[in-house]
Amino acid sequence: ENVLTQSPGTLSVSPGESATLSCRASQSVRSNYVAWYQQKAAQAPRLLIYGASYRATGIADRFSGSGSGTEFTLTVSRLEPEDFAVYYCQQYGSSPITFGQGTRLEIK
Amino acid sequence: QVQFVQSGAEVKRPGASVKVSCRASGYTFTNYDLHWVRLAPGQRPEWMGWIRPRNGDTKYSQKFQDRLTITRDTSASTAYMELSGLTFEDTAVYYCAKKGGATDWFDPWGQGTLVTVSS
Repeated sequence: ENVLTQSPGTLSVSPGESATLSCRASQSVRSNYVAWYQQKAAQAPRLLIYGASYRATGIADRFSGSGSGTEFTLTVSRLEPEDFAVYYCQQYGSSPITFGQGTRLEIK
Repeated sequence: QVQFVQSGAEVKRPGASVKVSCRASGYTFTNYDLHWVRLAPGQRPEWMGWIRPRNGDTKYSQKFQDRLTITRDTSASTAYMELSGLTFEDTAVYYCAKKGGATDWFDPWGQGTLVTVSS
């Protein structure tokens, strides 16, 4: 299976600054089929990005995704208080679908 | 809008089975595959399998192949996930999620159902 490794495990950033989250796959992801989700406490995950770089409906343009092959990045610009949460990457290019272990974005 | 309502929290003994339901609304239930994902404490999300409501076809992760059954009732726009042979390691929040488009990104997700396995 394609193992996803996210880094860092925890990222401390001040509101108004930018955060860069990384997701590395153990094998190349077919057609860059990578999605990013945000999860807040006691809530379900929410889709942010699919196809590595396409923003989901209703997602602020402060969220952007990039990457290809085995290296993918989620960038959150101009951090707002509601952005502090856990972020997961997912690959759906091969079976089984797999997720990264998450990056916790916390307020500095 | 598309939304899912899942059944309530469950407490089960080791060796028992649990069946979680996921009722869909806001879209044509038979048009999109429905997936199940679980999130255990301190673990990464784990994809379990999907069902194609149109014809009942299923695909399961090899990890759960022997003890997972996903079914659906199209008249009730509801999918069901049944996991048997529960162990303490099955304690997790179980989510249903709709296939987002032509490929398997998930949007939206149900609110989650906590399954606790305890003796």
